Amino acid sequence: EIVLTQSPATLSLSPGARATLSCRASRNVGSYLAWFQQKPGQSPRLLIYDANNRATGIPARFSGGGSGTDFTLSISRLEPEDFAVYYCQQRANWYTFGQGTKLEIK
Amino acid sequence: HVQLVESGGGVVQPGRSLRLSCAASGFAFSNYGMHWVRQAPGRGLECVAIISYDGRSKLYADSVKGRYTISRDNSKNTLYLQMNSLRPEDTAVYYCAREQWLVPSDWGQGTLVTVSS
Repeated sequence: EIVLTQSPATLSLSPGARATLSCRASRNVGSYLAWFQQKPGQSPRLLIYDANNRATGIPARFSGGGSGTDFTLSISRLEPEDFAVYYCQQRANWYTFGQGTKLEIK
Repeated sequence: HVQLVESGGGVVQPGRSLRLSCAASGFAFSNYGMHWVRQAPGRGLECVAIISYDGRSKLYADSVKGRYTISRDNSKNTLYLQMNSLRPEDTAVYYCAREQWLVPSDWGQGTLVTVSS
């Protein structure tokens, strides 16, 4: 099983700041990595697929990068609605998710 | 407008069975693969089963293999998850999701399954 480790567990930032979230895979997943956002009481929302492709309707302030075992999700200027939990997911070997990074308001 | 509505969750005793349904609308259901993903209370996400657009290919997580069966009825735009021999660790919110770009792109609101005596 490919294990995804996300860091940090919690990230405290102010609106307008830049956020950088990390996801590290236990084995090479190529570019087969996606990012999801989940707000309390809501279902997850796909943001990024195949490492750096924004899903339909996702604002340009969200960007993904990386390949192999190290990936990042960047949010250029945080809006109030961006504070949520973010998960990475790989599809190179079955589908597994990271444990999540909580992005909270500082 | 893509809509996925799960139903069939509830409280069930260990060892019993439950069938979840997911009614799809707003897109050509028969053209898309579908996923079931679960989330235990306060926990992360786990993909449990995937089915191809035509139902011919089915994949399962090791944790549910042999106990869960995914199926679909394209004439009814409905996805199913038959869950047998349920265990307390199967307790979770179960989401169905449409697959695009080989990942779950559009999700339902989820249905809660609680396995408890």
